[in-house]
Amino acid sequence: GQSLEQPSEVTAVEGAIVQINCTYQTSGFYGLSWYQQHDGGAPTFLSYNALDGLEETGRFSSFLSRSDSYGYLLLQELQMKDSASYFCAVRGGYNKLIFGAGTRLAVHP
Amino acid sequence: DVKVTQSSRYLVKRTGEKVFLECVQDMDHENMFWYRQDPGLGLRLIYFSYDVKMKEKGDIPEGYSVSREKKERFSLILESASTNQTSMYLCASSPTRTGGTEAFFGQGTRLTVV
Repeated sequence: GQSLEQPSEVTAVEGAIVQINCTYQTSGFYGLSWYQQHDGGAPTFLSYNALDGLEETGRFSSFLSRSDSYGYLLLQELQMKDSASYFCAVRGGYNKLIFGAGTRLAVHP
Repeated sequence: DVKVTQSSRYLVKRTGEKVFLECVQDMDHENMFWYRQDPGLGLRLIYFSYDVKMKEKGDIPEGYSVSREKKERFSLILESASTNQTSMYLCASSPTRTGGTEAFFGQGTRLTVV
């Protein structure tokens, strides 16, 4: 089977840096994705890591360690609009996509 | 723009009814998915399809079935709706390519079974 674990909630202040961790157990692994979902909205894609290392996209970076079955999403220069839920997702065989339970990020002034 | 369209935004059905949720995507994506989202549980995969007429069970397929007769359309069927199937249902599609597969989501159908 497959399972992903991430913290349920994280709080931070504007301008700060926050890291959301994700550990996974899976029978087949092709990559780790991150998605953002604002209240009332649909999830939207942020990043994808297939290989070990750091991928940077503007204020957001994502890291993967395949040997540790671990990844994280790093959000820098936090803004109020970053308040949302963040999901890690594992891509498995036949392009199956399994999501974690999500981390609710609250950014305060 | 990629578009994934779900047939209804809100739906109220009675216990025991057969319910059809429709999803259409316009980007010629091979893969389509149905998830349900409940507070604190994230997105749980019900079924997915990697090609026309192909379907695979996800983590919670019980009480559901799917149909994919055409590439652009993926239907979720609740054979006999029950109150524990009250939830937000999200459809998604993604392309098959080696560099990673970004999934695009519809706006969701909030189903209430009474």
